[in-house]
Amino acid sequence: GESVGLHLPTLSVQEGDNSIINCAYSNSASDYFIWYKQESGKGPQFIIDIRSNMDKRQGQRVTVLLNKTVKHLSLQIAATQPGDSAVYFCAETNQAGTALIFGKGTTLSVSS
Amino acid sequence: DVKVTQSSRYLVKRTGEKVFLECVQDMDHENMFWYRQDPGLGLRLIYFSYDVKMKEKGDIPEGYSVSREKKERFSLILESASTNQTSMYLCASSVDRGPYEQYFGPGTRLTVT
Repeated sequence: GESVGLHLPTLSVQEGDNSIINCAYSNSASDYFIWYKQESGKGPQFIIDIRSNMDKRQGQRVTVLLNKTVKHLSLQIAATQPGDSAVYFCAETNQAGTALIFGKGTTLSVSS
Repeated sequence: DVKVTQSSRYLVKRTGEKVFLECVQDMDHENMFWYRQDPGLGLRLIYFSYDVKMKEKGDIPEGYSVSREKKERFSLILESASTNQTSMYLCASSVDRGPYEQYFGPGTRLTVT
């Protein structure tokens, strides 16, 4: 079946370090991937997305890498700040291409 | 800014009650979605809609129904609430047909006792 998983449920880093959050996906036909950030008490917020015809995309302090060979997605956050503490979800398109399938989330904790 | 609002942040209902969760978006988006979020399970899609009066089942539609009478409003209905429907419910909308960038509301924490 379709599933999107994350390698680690929690990640703890020091302020100023770079963070890498990993995600494995199962649908080799997925053409779109997206990362969301969810702070406590709020709904998920869009961070960055990438289509399957790309292997890297950069935003402000964030980079998403897509490795289709091993079906792996990662989110890199540069110079992590306490405000980056949140749960991060990756998502991929389902087999029909009609909906997103979300992973279980990685909780990022940033200590100063 | 896109704004997706949900009628309640917290709701407590009794088993067997009919429950309505309302979601409104103000950006004229075509597509709207309802998810539930449970610890360790991520977000799971309940229903979605690509147009007024149109609905499609997601991954876990059992025990739920939806209504979309107006483009900006998408309602989730629990016909007879059960304790296993205690969860965080999230509504989202997107402008493009397909599962692309979705804007989420703040969520409704529903407790069924």
